[in-house]
Amino acid sequence: AQRVTQPEKLLSVFKGAPVELKCNYSYSGSPELFWYVQYSRQRLQLLLRHISRESIKGFTADLNKGETSFHLKKPFAQEEDSAMYYCAFIGGGSNYKLTFGKGTLLTVNP
Amino acid sequence: NAGVMQNPRHLVRRRGQEARLRCSPMKGHSHVYWYRQLPEEGLKFMVYLQKENIIDESGMPKERFSAEFPKEGPSILRIQQVVRGDSAAYFCASSPDVSQNYGYTFGSGTRLTVV
Repeated sequence: AQRVTQPEKLLSVFKGAPVELKCNYSYSGSPELFWYVQYSRQRLQLLLRHISRESIKGFTADLNKGETSFHLKKPFAQEEDSAMYYCAFIGGGSNYKLTFGKGTLLTVNP
Repeated sequence: NAGVMQNPRHLVRRRGQEARLRCSPMKGHSHVYWYRQLPEEGLKFMVYLQKENIIDESGMPKERFSAEFPKEGPSILRIQQVVRGDSAAYFCASSPDVSQNYGYTFGSGTRLTVV
């Protein structure tokens, strides 16, 4: 079954510390992977997608097909990064149906 | 451009009542997707619609749930005879086409509480 696993429900770091939000997927093909972010009281927004290989707000994510992972990383966390982060992918013959993980709530403490 | 607009933001219904959730896609977007987020869960796909057509409703519960996207007006997700298990956040997203070249734009969601 296609599945996205975000093992950490909560993650707390201090400002300036590195942060890594883990994401593993279960899919035998070549998925298209995304990170979405939801700041407090705001709508879900696309943060980045693996095919564009870009860095947004200092975040990067590398697709590791061997480990079936797409971890989100930032070298120096900021307080404004506190939010809910969702990993998601598209695969299985559909080019529109997103499969989401349960999300990780990141809190960056001052 | 106001983005994807969903209303109401919060909806409380008694068991057995009907819930109607509305979604107005972004201007220029003709593809609408509904997702449901149960407590402590990730978002799960429900249905994909284009104007006047249901393209994929594989994620919709077989009974009591229906969706439409008329030629004029917003997309509507309708839940008849609601039960406590329908309490969830319902998100709508839209895109200009079916590919992920642009990604989805999500609305703020409707939080349905069934009492």
